[in-house]
Amino acid sequence: EAGVTQFPSHSVIEKGQTVTLRCDPISGHDNLYWYRRVMGKEIKFLLHFVKESKQDESGMPNNRFLAERTGGTYSTLKVQPAELEDSGVYFCASSQRREFPDTDTQYFGPGTRLTVL
Amino acid sequence: AQSVTQLDSHVSVSEGTPVLLRCNYSSSYSPSLFWYVQHPNKGLQLLLKYTSAATLVKGINGFEAEFKKSETSFHLTKPSAHMSDAAEYFCVVSQGGKLIFGQGTELSVKP
Repeated sequence: EAGVTQFPSHSVIEKGQTVTLRCDPISGHDNLYWYRRVMGKEIKFLLHFVKESKQDESGMPNNRFLAERTGGTYSTLKVQPAELEDSGVYFCASSQRREFPDTDTQYFGPGTRLTVL
Repeated sequence: AQSVTQLDSHVSVSEGTPVLLRCNYSSSYSPSLFWYVQHPNKGLQLLLKYTSAATLVKGINGFEAEFKKSETSFHLTKPSAHMSDAAEYFCVVSQGGKLIFGQGTELSVKP
């Protein structure tokens, strides 16, 4: 069974440009999460989809970030326009939907390293 | 709000010696706690998780962690370090499915 995949693995863009990150979760996983690690900081939650619906987007930094999950399958995270402070590693994770979400195991992708110059 | 604190940003051990990575948690109720590992250029991999069953949790690659409510700790241990254990380790607490990460501990293993 394929794991969580993310594309691209690296992206280098200039300030003001737009970047779109993609995540393909494990097949059959209803839950999809985005996290981010800015250099020198801890990994932080961005948002959570259940199927195609946004369950929690409390971690999104600002309205330059837009996440979508088409048909409840893959997800994209667009940053427009990118700023220097957006540089970091963006992780995607997925999990099956169970009765007690606190105990779900989240499976992570390898991350996308974004560098904004 | 729940949180975790990893007490060491970097730990260095010799191959064959024990590993101890320390984590304290803060939670108003019985938490679900995880340890994840990230090897260089790889994704995060689950080592083990505690979900209020047995307090001693065994994970992959010989790692284990003990949940101690009285000390609010969930330290990760391994009896004998291997070179392949060199990686960054994260103590994590789940808050309604949203994972809250510690700062990470970089483990170095010397030959």
